[in-house]
Amino acid sequence: SQQGEEDPQALSIQEGENATMNCSYKTSINNLQWYRQNSGRGLVHLILIRSNEREKHSGRLRVTLDTSKKSSSLLITASRAADTASYFCATDAHGQNFVFGPGTRLSVLP
Amino acid sequence: DAGVIQSPRHEVTEMGQEVTLRCKLISGHNSLFWYRQTMMRGLELLIYFNNNVPIDDSGMPEDRFSAKMPNASFSTLKIQPSEPRDSAVYFCASTPTGENYGYTFGSGTRLTVV
Repeated sequence: SQQGEEDPQALSIQEGENATMNCSYKTSINNLQWYRQNSGRGLVHLILIRSNEREKHSGRLRVTLDTSKKSSSLLITASRAADTASYFCATDAHGQNFVFGPGTRLSVLP
Repeated sequence: DAGVIQSPRHEVTEMGQEVTLRCKLISGHNSLFWYRQTMMRGLELLIYFNNNVPIDDSGMPEDRFSAKMPNASFSTLKIQPSEPRDSAVYFCASTPTGENYGYTFGSGTRLTVV
Protein backbone atom coordinates (compact mmCIF):
# COMPACT_ATOMS: atom_id res chain seq x y z
CA SER A 1 0.00 0.00 0.00
CA GLN A 2 1.12 3.56 -0.67
CA GLN A 3 2.96 5.09 2.28
CA GLY A 4 2.25 8.69 1.25
CA GLU A 5 -0.59 10.13 -0.77
CA GLU A 6 -0.92 13.67 -2.06
CA ASP A 7 -4.11 15.64 -2.12
CA PRO A 8 -5.58 16.98 -4.32
CA GLN A 9 -4.73 14.86 -7.37
CA ALA A 10 -4.92 17.96 -9.55
CA LEU A 11 -4.99 21.68 -8.81
CA SER A 12 -5.53 24.60 -11.16
CA ILE A 13 -4.89 28.19 -10.04
CA GLN A 14 -4.21 31.61 -11.50
CA GLU A 15 -0.74 33.10 -11.59
CA GLY A 16 -0.05 35.04 -8.40
CA GLU A 17 -2.26 32.85 -6.22
CA ASN A 18 -0.95 30.50 -3.56
CA ALA A 19 -1.00 26.74 -4.10
CA THR A 20 -1.32 24.28 -1.24
CA MET A 21 -0.78 20.55 -1.59
CA ASN A 22 -1.12 18.01 1.18
CA CYS A 23 0.49 14.66 1.88
CA SER A 24 -0.80 12.05 4.29
CA TYR A 25 1.07 8.95 5.32
CA LYS A 26 0.38 5.86 7.38
CA THR A 27 3.37 4.85 9.51
CA SER A 28 5.98 6.74 11.50
CA ILE A 29 8.76 8.40 9.54
CA ASN A 30 12.19 9.87 10.08
CA ASN A 31 12.04 12.29 7.16
CA LEU A 32 9.65 13.57 4.53
CA GLN A 33 10.65 15.10 1.23
CA TRP A 34 8.91 17.06 -1.51
CA TYR A 35 9.89 16.82 -5.16
CA ARG A 36 8.82 18.56 -8.37
CA GLN A 37 8.62 16.92 -11.79
CA ASN A 38 8.21 18.93 -14.95
CA SER A 39 6.70 17.15 -17.91
CA GLY A 40 9.19 14.77 -19.51
CA ARG A 41 11.87 15.41 -16.91
CA GLY A 42 13.24 13.74 -13.81
CA LEU A 43 12.21 14.62 -10.28
CA VAL A 44 13.88 17.56 -8.59
CA HIS A 45 14.35 17.63 -4.84
CA LEU A 46 12.72 20.63 -3.18
CA ILE A 47 12.80 20.25 0.59
CA LEU A 48 13.55 17.60 3.21
CA ILE A 49 11.91 17.98 6.61
CA ARG A 50 12.86 15.84 9.58
CA SER A 51 10.32 14.31 11.94
CA ASN A 52 11.40 16.65 14.74
CA GLU A 53 10.84 19.75 12.58
CA ARG A 54 7.51 21.47 12.11
CA GLU A 55 8.18 23.95 9.33
CA LYS A 56 10.81 24.72 6.70
CA HIS A 57 11.11 27.45 4.09
CA SER A 58 12.93 27.67 0.81
CA GLY A 59 12.27 30.76 -1.26
CA ARG A 60 8.56 30.76 -2.13
CA LEU A 61 8.12 27.26 -0.72
CA ARG A 62 6.88 26.50 2.77
CA VAL A 63 6.60 22.96 4.10
CA THR A 64 4.89 21.97 7.32
CA LEU A 65 4.88 18.62 9.07
CA ASP A 66 2.40 17.41 11.67
CA THR A 67 3.54 14.01 12.89
CA SER A 68 0.52 13.65 15.19
CA LYS A 69 -1.74 13.81 12.14
CA LYS A 70 0.77 12.05 9.87
CA SER A 71 0.48 14.83 7.33
CA SER A 72 2.52 17.46 5.56
CA SER A 73 1.70 20.40 3.37
CA LEU A 74 3.59 22.22 0.64
CA LEU A 75 2.68 25.85 0.07
CA ILE A 76 3.86 27.71 -3.00
CA THR A 77 3.32 31.43 -2.63
CA ALA A 78 2.82 33.89 -5.48
CA SER A 79 2.71 31.09 -8.05
CA ARG A 80 4.11 31.49 -11.53
CA ALA A 81 3.39 29.69 -14.78
CA ALA A 82 6.80 28.03 -14.40
CA ASP A 83 5.54 26.30 -11.23
CA THR A 84 3.29 24.13 -13.42
CA ALA A 85 4.46 20.59 -12.67
CA SER A 86 3.66 17.49 -10.66
CA TYR A 87 4.59 17.56 -7.01
CA PHE A 88 5.40 14.42 -5.02
CA CYS A 89 5.92 13.74 -1.36
CA ALA A 90 8.24 10.92 -0.34
CA THR A 91 8.33 9.32 3.08
CA ASP A 92 10.77 6.91 4.70
CA ALA A 93 8.54 4.58 6.70
CA HIS A 94 10.48 3.47 9.80
CA GLY A 95 13.61 5.05 8.37
CA GLN A 96 13.69 2.82 5.33
CA ASN A 97 13.88 3.94 1.72
CA PHE A 98 11.74 6.79 0.53
CA VAL A 99 8.43 5.82 -1.04
CA PHE A 100 6.77 8.30 -3.39
CA GLY A 101 3.10 9.17 -3.52
CA PRO A 102 1.08 9.43 -6.76
CA GLY A 103 1.61 13.19 -6.94
CA THR A 104 -0.42 16.38 -7.36
CA ARG A 105 -0.59 17.91 -10.85
CA LEU A 106 -0.43 21.68 -10.49
CA SER A 107 -1.42 23.96 -13.35
CA VAL A 108 -0.72 27.68 -12.98
CA LEU A 109 -2.66 29.65 -15.55
CA PRO A 110 -1.25 32.95 -16.83
CA ASP B 1 29.16 18.10 -11.75
CA ALA B 2 26.90 17.08 -14.63
CA GLY B 3 24.43 15.35 -12.36
CA VAL B 4 23.03 11.86 -12.78
CA ILE B 5 23.31 10.87 -16.43
CA GLN B 6 21.08 8.28 -18.03
CA SER B 7 21.30 6.79 -21.48
CA PRO B 8 19.64 6.40 -23.82
CA ARG B 9 16.93 9.06 -23.39
CA HIS B 10 14.55 7.11 -25.58
CA GLU B 11 14.51 3.46 -26.55
CA VAL B 12 12.08 1.73 -28.88
CA THR B 13 12.50 -2.00 -29.19
CA GLU B 14 10.60 -5.03 -30.34
CA MET B 15 9.13 -7.52 -27.93
CA GLY B 16 11.63 -10.21 -27.05
CA GLN B 17 14.70 -8.05 -27.52
CA GLU B 18 17.21 -7.31 -24.77
CA VAL B 19 17.26 -3.75 -23.44
CA THR B 20 20.05 -2.22 -21.39
CA LEU B 21 19.60 1.08 -19.59
CA ARG B 22 22.60 2.93 -18.21
CA CYS B 23 23.16 5.31 -15.35
CA LYS B 24 26.18 7.32 -14.22
CA LEU B 25 26.06 8.50 -10.63
CA ILE B 26 27.25 11.76 -9.19
CA SER B 27 30.79 11.46 -7.89
CA GLY B 28 30.77 10.84 -4.15
CA HIS B 29 27.24 9.47 -4.02
CA ASN B 30 27.11 6.02 -2.45
CA SER B 31 23.50 4.98 -2.96
CA LEU B 32 21.86 4.26 -6.29
CA PHE B 33 18.17 3.68 -6.95
CA TRP B 34 16.32 2.47 -10.05
CA TYR B 35 12.68 3.56 -10.40
CA ARG B 36 10.01 2.90 -13.00
CA GLN B 37 7.24 5.42 -13.64
CA THR B 38 3.93 4.72 -15.36
CA MET B 39 0.59 6.48 -15.35
CA MET B 40 -1.09 3.49 -13.76
CA ARG B 41 1.37 2.66 -10.99
CA GLY B 42 3.22 5.93 -10.46
CA LEU B 43 6.83 5.81 -9.32
CA GLU B 44 7.95 2.34 -8.24
CA LEU B 45 11.29 1.48 -6.66
CA LEU B 46 12.83 -1.48 -8.50
CA ILE B 47 16.15 -1.93 -6.73
CA TYR B 48 18.69 0.02 -4.76
CA PHE B 49 22.42 -0.30 -4.14
CA ASN B 50 24.56 0.94 -1.31
CA ASN B 51 28.32 1.09 -1.94
CA ASN B 52 27.87 -1.04 -5.10
CA VAL B 53 26.03 -3.80 -3.21
CA PRO B 54 22.37 -4.57 -4.04
CA ILE B 55 20.43 -4.08 -0.82
CA ASP B 56 16.80 -4.54 -1.82
CA ASP B 57 15.59 -5.90 -5.14
CA SER B 58 12.09 -6.78 -4.00
CA GLY B 59 10.66 -4.27 -6.46
CA MET B 60 12.13 -5.98 -9.50
CA PRO B 61 9.03 -7.28 -11.27
CA GLU B 62 10.42 -10.63 -12.40
CA ASP B 63 13.53 -12.53 -13.42
CA ARG B 64 13.59 -10.77 -16.77
CA PHE B 65 14.92 -7.74 -14.93
CA SER B 66 18.47 -7.56 -13.63
CA ALA B 67 20.64 -4.70 -12.39
CA LYS B 68 24.34 -4.40 -11.81
CA MET B 69 26.73 -1.88 -10.38
CA PRO B 70 30.18 -2.84 -11.62
CA ASN B 71 31.83 0.19 -10.02
CA ALA B 72 31.04 3.12 -7.76
CA SER B 73 29.94 5.41 -10.56
CA PHE B 74 27.99 3.27 -13.03
CA SER B 75 24.96 1.01 -13.10
CA THR B 76 22.94 -0.89 -15.68
CA LEU B 77 19.38 -2.17 -15.71
CA LYS B 78 18.76 -4.98 -18.17
CA ILE B 79 15.47 -6.40 -19.38
CA GLN B 80 15.68 -9.69 -21.25
CA PRO B 81 13.41 -10.53 -22.95
CA SER B 82 11.44 -7.29 -23.08
CA GLU B 83 7.62 -7.22 -23.19
CA PRO B 84 5.15 -4.45 -24.10
CA ARG B 85 4.11 -4.11 -20.43
CA ASP B 86 7.67 -3.02 -19.64
CA SER B 87 7.02 0.24 -21.49
CA ALA B 88 7.60 3.04 -18.98
CA VAL B 89 10.02 5.77 -18.02
CA TYR B 90 12.93 4.39 -16.04
CA PHE B 91 14.79 6.71 -13.68
CA CYS B 92 17.92 6.25 -11.69
CA ALA B 93 18.68 8.44 -8.70
CA SER B 94 21.66 8.75 -6.42
CA THR B 95 22.34 10.18 -3.01
CA PRO B 96 25.16 10.35 -0.49
CA THR B 97 24.96 7.77 2.26
CA GLY B 98 22.78 8.91 5.12
CA GLU B 99 19.13 9.68 5.61
CA ASN B 100 19.22 13.44 5.45
CA TYR B 101 19.88 13.92 1.77
CA GLY B 102 17.51 14.29 -1.11
CA TYR B 103 17.77 12.11 -4.16
CA THR B 104 19.23 13.46 -7.40
CA PHE B 105 17.36 12.01 -10.35
CA GLY B 106 18.51 11.52 -13.89
CA SER B 107 16.35 12.67 -16.81
CA GLY B 108 15.06 9.15 -17.38
CA THR B 109 14.90 6.67 -20.23
CA ARG B 110 11.56 6.39 -21.98
CA LEU B 111 11.24 2.75 -23.04
CA THR B 112 8.69 1.63 -25.58
CA VAL B 113 8.39 -2.07 -26.33
CA VAL B 114 6.31 -2.81 -29.43
